Amino acid sequence: DADVTQTPRNRITKTGKRIMLECSQTKGHDRMYWYRQDPGLGLRLIYYSFDVKDINKGEISDGYSVSRQAQAKFSLSLESAIPNQTALYFCATSDPGGLAGPSTDTQYFGPGTRLTVL
Amino acid sequence: SQQGEEDPQALSIQEGENATMNCSYKTSINNLQWYRQNSGRGLVHLILIRSNEREKHSGRLRVTLDTSKKSSSLLITASRAADTASYFCATEPGGAQKLVFGQGTRLTINP
Repeated sequence: DADVTQTPRNRITKTGKRIMLECSQTKGHDRMYWYRQDPGLGLRLIYYSFDVKDINKGEISDGYSVSRQAQAKFSLSLESAIPNQTALYFCATSDPGGLAGPSTDTQYFGPGTRLTVL
Repeated sequence: SQQGEEDPQALSIQEGENATMNCSYKTSINNLQWYRQNSGRGLVHLILIRSNEREKHSGRLRVTLDTSKKSSSLLITASRAADTASYFCATEPGGAQKLVFGQGTRLTINP
């Protein structure tokens, strides 16, 4: 979905390097998420943000940090990359549905970043 | 830990047949969603069913939800080769305001 973009799409790095993955969206959504996916597994939530001033840890936040620079931008950093952080990383956005109804939290995903840590 | 568990983990059928995938979850939910993922790509939302709904249709998709059994099923009718993908259920546990994904069913449609 071109409304949610991720850069880079592929990255190979070495153990101990600092890496930043970037996510931008044009959907106007307040909520943004970072997930990782390991082969044959589902998605696990790393961090999420419900607005620019809100940052929350997910299921597996250790070794990661995030920055919500603007409504449209949410970056994920690996301060010191390690091989078991090799995975496919996805950014997603959602709209809580406004005042008219309950939250549906349908999420819109970016194309993913394939990260390899050697 | 994963909230949802899909069954089977992998399914291979002939084009034109129906494909059924199941999802079980552990805690009470606000809604349950199904997503599709083509190999190495981002997930795409397919359908959402609320906790007070029992069945929902969208094109060739039919989703059921049984909250007493904490389970849902996704039926794809008249499957096509292009339906080959992984399918994930995702639940929004009550009050959580975030999704928890299962491990997915890998569906292969053979021409």
